Amino acid sequence: EAGVTQSPTHLIKTRGQQVTLRCSPISGHTSVYWYQQALGLGLQFLLWYDEGEERNRGNFPPRFSGRQFPNYSSELNVNALELEDSALYLCASSVGQVNSPLHFGNGTRLTVT
Amino acid sequence: AQSVTQLDSQVPVFEEAPVELRCNYSSSVSVYLFWYVQYPNQGLQLLLKYLSGSTLVKGINGFEAEFNKSQTSFHLRKPSVHISDTAEYFCAVLKTSYDKVIFGPGTSLSVIP
Repeated sequence: EAGVTQSPTHLIKTRGQQVTLRCSPISGHTSVYWYQQALGLGLQFLLWYDEGEERNRGNFPPRFSGRQFPNYSSELNVNALELEDSALYLCASSVGQVNSPLHFGNGTRLTVT
Repeated sequence: AQSVTQLDSQVPVFEEAPVELRCNYSSSVSVYLFWYVQYPNQGLQLLLKYLSGSTLVKGINGFEAEFNKSQTSFHLRKPSVHISDTAEYFCAVLKTSYDKVIFGPGTSLSVIP
């Protein structure tokens, strides 16, 4: 069984630019979660999609957005990049049931200069 | 509001010694509890989970955790650690009302030869 895949693995952008990160969940998983792991800040919840709809959103500004496609893959978009957006962005998927554990990808390392 | 506390940010321990990583949570409703491990440059991997039933939960790699409702704790233990256990460990909480998964700040376990 293929795991959660994220692309790209590394990305370098400059302030003000826009970036799109991609995530493919495990086959059969309908829920996708996005987390930001910045140095020293642990995992901060960004977004949760299930069956194509946004179910919950963390305390991040509107320039963080995303979507989930009919095949359950997902994109995370960040506009007007700021230096503090530099972090590891982790995507996780689950089968969508209430207590299903999350399965994580290896993340996308974003560096904003 | 729901929160997760991991009191120890770093735990050094000698190889073959026992270890306990502490996790406390605050929630006014019932919760599901998880422990995840993150090896360097990788995503998170599920170690174990508590959903209901026996308060002592066994996971992979010889780890176990005990749910204590009165103390709102879910401490992780291993009787004898190996070098390969060196990693970041995250406690996570999910309200049974199907909310987002909240992660603690993490504990860095360093196993000393």
